[in-house]
Amino acid sequence: EAGVAQSPRYKIIEKRQSVAFWCNPISGHATLYWYQQILGQGPKLLIQFQNNGVVDDSQLPKDRFSAERLKGVDSTLKIQPAKLEDSAVYLCASMGTSGSDTQYFGPGTRLTVL
Amino acid sequence: SQKIEQNSEALNIQEGKTATLTCNYTNYSPAYLQWYRQDPGRGPVFLLLIRENEKEKRKERLKVTFDTTLKQSLFHITASQPADSATYLCALGTGGYQKVTFGTGTKLQVIP
Repeated sequence: EAGVAQSPRYKIIEKRQSVAFWCNPISGHATLYWYQQILGQGPKLLIQFQNNGVVDDSQLPKDRFSAERLKGVDSTLKIQPAKLEDSAVYLCASMGTSGSDTQYFGPGTRLTVL
Repeated sequence: SQKIEQNSEALNIQEGKTATLTCNYTNYSPAYLQWYRQDPGRGPVFLLLIRENEKEKRKERLKVTFDTTLKQSLFHITASQPADSATYLCALGTGGYQKVTFGTGTKLQVIP
């Protein structure tokens, strides 16, 4: 079974520029998560989707971050405009059927904002 | 306020010894607790899950305990190996819709 795919793996941008990240979860996984992981910290949930609906986006800075999962499969996370403090690794994870409670993570996208 | 605390200091142990990592939490009532391993440049990998009504879980050289009275979980790696060197994250299953909240992680270094 293929794992969670993310692209790009690395991105360097100037502050105030825009950037988008893509995630393809494990086939059949209804729940998809985007996390932000700042160096030395644990992953912080940004947004959680159940199929194509948003379950939790309470920690998503909505003035600059947006995410969508239009067909309930792959997802994109966008930052517009980026700030220096957005430098982090952005992790995508997916989870299968209810009761498994196991998240499968992608390799992450390392974002550097200069 | 809600907190999930793991040792911020790196843990260095000798190969063959048992490594014990701690996860303490406040102002949560988790339905379950998970431990993940994270290697540099990679996403976390799930290791073990223990539910609120369980005291202990084992998997090969790994053992997890969960004390909801003390609000603490201990994660043990017996007969540790250099390949066990990584950052270990605890995560609390905090409610419906399969939401987890992660701790800050503890870096383990197993010295040959």
